[in-house]
Amino acid sequence: NAGVTQTPKFRILKIGQSMTLQCTQDMNHNYMYWYRQDPGMGLKLIYYSVGAGITDKGEVPNGYNVSRSTTEDFPLRLELAAPSQTSVYFCASSYLTGVDAYEQYFGPGTRLTVT
Amino acid sequence: KNQVEQSPQSLIILEGKNCTLQCNYTVSPFSNLRWYKQDTGRGPVSLTIMTFSENTKSNGRYTATLDADTKQSSLHITASQLSDSASYICVVTGGSYIPTFGRGTSLIVHP
Repeated sequence: NAGVTQTPKFRILKIGQSMTLQCTQDMNHNYMYWYRQDPGMGLKLIYYSVGAGITDKGEVPNGYNVSRSTTEDFPLRLELAAPSQTSVYFCASSYLTGVDAYEQYFGPGTRLTVT
Repeated sequence: KNQVEQSPQSLIILEGKNCTLQCNYTVSPFSNLRWYKQDTGRGPVSLTIMTFSENTKSNGRYTATLDADTKQSSLHITASQLSDSASYICVVTGGSYIPTFGRGTSLIVHP
């Protein structure tokens, strides 16, 4: 049981490039989330998904896209990378929603730098 | 606006000592409050989750308290160890899927 895995661990992008951050969970969780963590700031929710085929915007969705074709995978797409997207990105999953007080499991993060 | 404020921003203590971290929030309505531990370069790991009806929750040497009336929570760490050095994050979830994260308290435990 690997939990939540993310790839890559590190990435440097040039302004305007695109990339996909991968996230996979093997706990059969319905709910998955993408957060970003800027230095000295609290995590911010980018997008979330309540199940395969269903996604919704979080607090800071601009510049990102997601898809959820399977229960296990929840990739995050960055189109036209900008320096403001330099951050550490965390994927998380849970059996039920945060509102239901179920534990969220986080991946190890992807450190992205856009120059 | 929903906010979670944590104090202190950073804390240095000696190994074996106790410490208490604070969390004040303005999130409404309230569903639950979580404390996470985040080691450097790692994702957050859940320590405790408390709902409205709970005012104390323990996880080993970690004890969280919640006063939903004053909208305050604390995390008490007993007999600190070097491995407790980390960032401790308070997260409050209201009526939506979007949680509000505090900025965290950075704890350093010295031998």
